[in-house]
Amino acid sequence: ETGVTQTPRHLVMGMTNKKSLKCEQHLGHNAMYWYKQSAKKPLELMFVYNFKEQTENNSVPSRFSPECPNSSHLFLHLHTLQPEDSALYLCASSQRPASGSASKNIQYFGAGTRLSVL
Amino acid sequence: AQTVTQSQPEMSVQEAETVTLSCTYDTSESDYYLFWYKQPPSRQMILVIRQEAYKQQNATENRFSVNFQKAAKSFSLKISDSQLGDAAMYFCAYRSALGKLSFGAGTTVTVRA
Repeated sequence: ETGVTQTPRHLVMGMTNKKSLKCEQHLGHNAMYWYKQSAKKPLELMFVYNFKEQTENNSVPSRFSPECPNSSHLFLHLHTLQPEDSALYLCASSQRPASGSASKNIQYFGAGTRLSVL
Repeated sequence: AQTVTQSQPEMSVQEAETVTLSCTYDTSESDYYLFWYKQPPSRQMILVIRQEAYKQQNATENRFSVNFQKAAKSFSLKISDSQLGDAAMYFCAYRSALGKLSFGAGTTVTVRA
């Protein structure tokens, strides 16, 4: 157990559905991340939040909408997805230093949500 | 942007034997960090080992060790005395000084009993 919990573990949705993925970290970290993991491809960083502020959006389509209400919780709202969005969605958290050495900025991952879009 | 390449999609090793996973990366930075993560069937990505680029000494964590060749931009992982629980997908990752993490495509390790 890494201290990062993702729910649900599995999700099947139609292209017209609206659903949300949830991530919660119990590590006291100040940064949270969403990644997409597709078969045979490297993990793709989607969004980064620092102190609840979105600091990175890697050209993710608007049908993915992140929300970070506080430093412990991160959501990914999904609507009108496409079959090619089927993948494992991983959440991670880390403690990003305000300045100085980044040696302790290690990302800890949840177990992911396996999403299937029909 | 940094590129991380893992050229071995799959590796198989006999229990108690040693296996080495390769990783190369492309960067123009001098200050960065390298990681190996393990993802078992449970899907939980677990940090195995890390290496700071400014350290010449290779990192070691129990049965896991790395061969870090900075000039060659190579960062291989050696698993010694392989155990059945080592079976997983292994990802090499590069982190810049600014904190962005880039992953390779992964290597699936199978351990034969």
